[in-house]
Amino acid sequence: DAKTTQPNSMESNEEEPVHLPCNHSTISGTDYIHWYRQLPSQGPEYVIHGLTSNVNNRMASLAIAEDRKSSTLILHRATLRDAAVYYCIPLTSYGKLTFGQGTILTVHP
Amino acid sequence: NAGVTQTPKFQVLKTGQSMTLQCAQDMNHNSMYWYRQDPGMGLRLIYYSASEGTTDKGEVPNGYNVSRLNKREFSLRLESAAPSQTSVYFCASSDFVLAGGYTFGSGTRLTVV
Repeated sequence: DAKTTQPNSMESNEEEPVHLPCNHSTISGTDYIHWYRQLPSQGPEYVIHGLTSNVNNRMASLAIAEDRKSSTLILHRATLRDAAVYYCIPLTSYGKLTFGQGTILTVHP
Repeated sequence: NAGVTQTPKFQVLKTGQSMTLQCAQDMNHNSMYWYRQDPGMGLRLIYYSASEGTTDKGEVPNGYNVSRLNKREFSLRLESAAPSQTSVYFCASSDFVLAGGYTFGSGTRLTVV
């Protein structure tokens, strides 16, 4: 499985953009890059995933480096509800999610 | 849609007791999973079922058994609970054909005393 490196923690102010980085230098060419988040006392929640091209959905945007060795999850306007642990997870088509420690995002009012 | 439903939400067991955690999904997903999460840790995979009729061990299967009862339901059994199994248990489902994400349940908080 590909290894990932994420900052232990990040902070943001409400209504400001947040860029959450992830390094996955050993990713294989067929691994999708998945992002999940876990709010306090809840199960993980799917955020977004992509393969090569940048992706957007109603929750966030995913920017994938051209060499695919890193990616960035972008929350365009952070809210207090976005305070969570964010996990970046490379995943093969028929693979299984393997969680690391993730990034703890704190959002200040 | 309810998504992934887990029961019970909370449970306290005495050491040596047995119990079954139930999980059901209504999204017609092929694959289902059981994870555990210890305090301050990431999730670890216990068992998974890639499709109806198949089950496989994950990272931490010792002390657990599973049953894929049908496409909707995937149960996790603790035959003889131990304090080390005190954790929050999450069930999830996915469908790789749709190349989508996993959907997780809200968890079962289990304490073994």
